[in-house]
Amino acid sequence: AQSVTQPDIHITVSEGASLELRCNYSYGATPYLFWYVQSPGQGLQLLLKYFSGDTLVQGIKGFEAEFKRSQSSFNLRKPSVHWSDAAEYFCAVSQTGANNLFFGTGTRLTVIP
Amino acid sequence: DGGITQSPKYLFRKEGQNVTLSCEQNLNHDAMYWYRQDPGQGLRLIYYSQIVNDFQKGDIAEGYSVSREKKESFPLTVTSAQKNPTAFYLCASSPPGRERGEQFFGPGTRLTVL
Repeated sequence: AQSVTQPDIHITVSEGASLELRCNYSYGATPYLFWYVQSPGQGLQLLLKYFSGDTLVQGIKGFEAEFKRSQSSFNLRKPSVHWSDAAEYFCAVSQTGANNLFFGTGTRLTVIP
Repeated sequence: DGGITQSPKYLFRKEGQNVTLSCEQNLNHDAMYWYRQDPGQGLRLIYYSQIVNDFQKGDIAEGYSVSREKKESFPLTVTSAQKNPTAFYLCASSPPGRERGEQFFGPGTRLTVL
């Protein structure tokens, strides 16, 4: 069965500091991988996605993520965090040709001035 | 602008009542989904529909029902059989093809049982 693990429930960083949010997945083949962001009381917005090809993908708002097959990971990074990045971040995985997304439990990001 | 709308944003229900959450999309997507979100549990799939007049149960379908009479609409009914319905409900849709894993989300409906 597919699963997605986000080991960090809550992360606090200072504004301007770098950020890395961890995501590990369990799936036999190469999955489709996604990062979504959710502001309080809002829906989810897609930050970036990986289907195939270059393992370093660029997304919106200055985010990037790197797919590492050997580690079954798809960590999200940002070089310099802004106060507006405070939100909850979800990693998700789907399998080739399937509709369903499997979500991690999310990482809440707090940004301190 | 294309997108997904959910209404109402906040909904209050008395115990024992059924309530229907609305989800409409004008993205011309075939597939639509309903998720439930609880603190610390991420998103859990309730029902999904790949085409009009067809839908499948997700991981937590008990106590919920759906219909898909039109491509644009996928309403969710929370029945009195759902023992713990207070949650944030999210509707999503996805395009066909290889991007079908990518889903577009509505703003959500927060349901509170009084």
